[in-house]
Amino acid sequence: DGGITQSPKYLFRKEGQNVTLSCEQNLNHDAMYWYRQDPGQGLRLIYYSQIVNDFQKGDIAEGYSVSREKKESFPLTVTSAQKNPTAFYLCASSGLAGWELFFGEGSRLTVL
Amino acid sequence: DQQVKQNSPSLSVQEGRISILNCDYTNSMFDYFLWYKKYPAEGPTFLISISSIKDKNEDGRFTVFLNKSAKHLSLHIVPSQPGDSAVYFCAARLSNSGYALNFGKGTSLLVTP
Repeated sequence: DGGITQSPKYLFRKEGQNVTLSCEQNLNHDAMYWYRQDPGQGLRLIYYSQIVNDFQKGDIAEGYSVSREKKESFPLTVTSAQKNPTAFYLCASSGLAGWELFFGEGSRLTVL
Repeated sequence: DQQVKQNSPSLSVQEGRISILNCDYTNSMFDYFLWYKKYPAEGPTFLISISSIKDKNEDGRFTVFLNKSAKHLSLHIVPSQPGDSAVYFCAARLSNSGYALNFGKGTSLLVTP
């Protein structure tokens, strides 16, 4: 089935450690996105990529890094520089012909 | 700076009645608006959308209305069903920002039997 797969679903991290969240899509979508959701907050854009080997910062990119080496994959690294990393992270993708974003199931990161 | 605002964090409606979820925006350059529905611990799913050149779009029980002069849109669900209980996010797209969406904070809808 076509869709977006995020892994891991739950992740615990100690302070000072970098972690990488995986996002893979088989929808043949050109654009991919990372959003963060905190309690009582909307989805805030971290990074997005419209084509391979290119990406742009969103509203809250500080402390995060991404890569887009393959069309299907858009991993997000939460670095130790991110001051409040505990959150629910959502990956999404869209085709250039449509406006709709398709979301993955999300990854919940907890920093201990 | 929140450009898409959903000022009601929660809404409770009886089954069979109309649910009206509201959304305001500040940026007149938004050219496309979408509503997403989200269950706990899941990703949002697309519900309905409307282009800025229209004022109404209907899909089954769901209708979205856009008032550009007031920078306001609303989602109507008629009749409401218990399965509609979820968080609803309003989202808007800037015409020159790729396809990234700006989201509101969401409104939690509870439909009671």
